[in-house]
Amino acid sequence: GENVEQHPSTLSVQEGDSAVIKCTYSDSASNYFPWYKQELGKRPQLIIDIRSNVGEKKDQRIAVTLNKTAKHFSLHITETQPEDSAVYFCAARIKAAGNKLTFGGGTRVLVKP
Amino acid sequence: DVKVTQSSRYLVKRTGEKVFLECVQDMDHENMFWYRQDPGLGLRLIYFSYDVKMKEKGDIPEGYSVSREKKERFSLILESASTNQTSMYLCASSPTSKNIQYFGAGTRLSVL
Repeated sequence: GENVEQHPSTLSVQEGDSAVIKCTYSDSASNYFPWYKQELGKRPQLIIDIRSNVGEKKDQRIAVTLNKTAKHFSLHITETQPEDSAVYFCAARIKAAGNKLTFGGGTRVLVKP
Repeated sequence: DVKVTQSSRYLVKRTGEKVFLECVQDMDHENMFWYRQDPGLGLRLIYFSYDVKMKEKGDIPEGYSVSREKKERFSLILESASTNQTSMYLCASSPTSKNIQYFGAGTRLSVL
């Protein structure tokens, strides 16, 4: 089955700096890679996703890049703000597995004002 | 607005008790999922369902079972709760036409 590794497990950044979280996956058949954000005490919510036929996707201050050859994808947050403090989860989906996702271990991001 | 509702936010049970966690979604989604969330381990899939009365094992099904008698409801059952099942349990649903999973608020279960 699919295995997703996520690094770092914790990340502390100064407000205004950039944050980068990296995930690697094991199954080359994976074709969909979402990122979820979970604020303290709240439910995870999708913030951005990318499909295997695209190398990069951007939405305001967040972007995701995908390297299929190396089997890794990354979340980039620019100009971080205190409200970016949360736990971020990456995930991967194998097309043949329907809507089943395999999640990484999560990254706790703390943005210091 | 998609709503996924879990019946309890907090639950305290004794070792050996039978525990039911309920999840209801109001968007007619075909797919429903149960995860447990533990620090450093992310979200691990316990069971999922693609349709009524249908279930598939996830990555950590041992000690759990599920029931999906109606499309909107997906129940997670701990037949005999153990202390190592103390965790946060998250339910999610998604339509087959889209990849997005919508999560419930979670049930924090403590087994004493």
